[in-house]
Amino acid sequence: DGGITQSPKYLFRKEGQNVTLSCEQNLNHDAMYWYRQDPGQGLRLIYYSQIVNDFQKGDIAEGYSVSREKKESFPLTVTSAQKNPTAFYLCASSPSTGGTQPQHFGDGTRLSIL
Amino acid sequence: SQKIEQNSEALNIQEGKTATLTCNYTNYSPAYLQWYRQDPGRGPVFLLLIRENEKEKRKERLKVTFDTTLKQSLFHITASQPADSATYLCALYSGSARQLTFGSGTQLTVLP
Repeated sequence: DGGITQSPKYLFRKEGQNVTLSCEQNLNHDAMYWYRQDPGQGLRLIYYSQIVNDFQKGDIAEGYSVSREKKESFPLTVTSAQKNPTAFYLCASSPSTGGTQPQHFGDGTRLSIL
Repeated sequence: SQKIEQNSEALNIQEGKTATLTCNYTNYSPAYLQWYRQDPGRGPVFLLLIRENEKEKRKERLKVTFDTTLKQSLFHITASQPADSATYLCALYSGSARQLTFGSGTQLTVLP
């Protein structure tokens, strides 16, 4: 079955530590996205990528970094500069970035601070 | 500033009734509007898309309307079932922003 796989499901970060969240898709989609979801809030866009080796900042990119070296993979690094990283992180993909394209989501990674 | 509001954080209805969820927006000119379902601890799942020049879209027990004059979309689930209990998110795509912007969602509970 095609889909998006996020790992790990739960992640704990120590102060001053960088952590990397994995996102892999086998849908052959060009576009991939990272969102952050906090309780009672909508999804907020962190970064998105329209094509391999290209990515753009979303609304809340500060303290995060990404790479897109392969079409299937779009890992997100939460750096120590992100002072409030506790949240539910969702990765998504779509055939392209146009508005007619539904986004397919993974089941998220929940990040907490130790 | 641009804003998306979904009606009351939680909505409880009796099984068999029609659930109506509201998505209002300000300072947007969305070209497309999408609705997603999200279960606890899971990622959202796409349900329906409606274009700005479409008034209504249906899929099985689901119906979406889009009124660009009122700046509002309504999402209806007819003959609701306990299995429809979830959080429903609306998302707007505007050509100027070139990204989907999500509302905070409405948690629907269908009581047996």
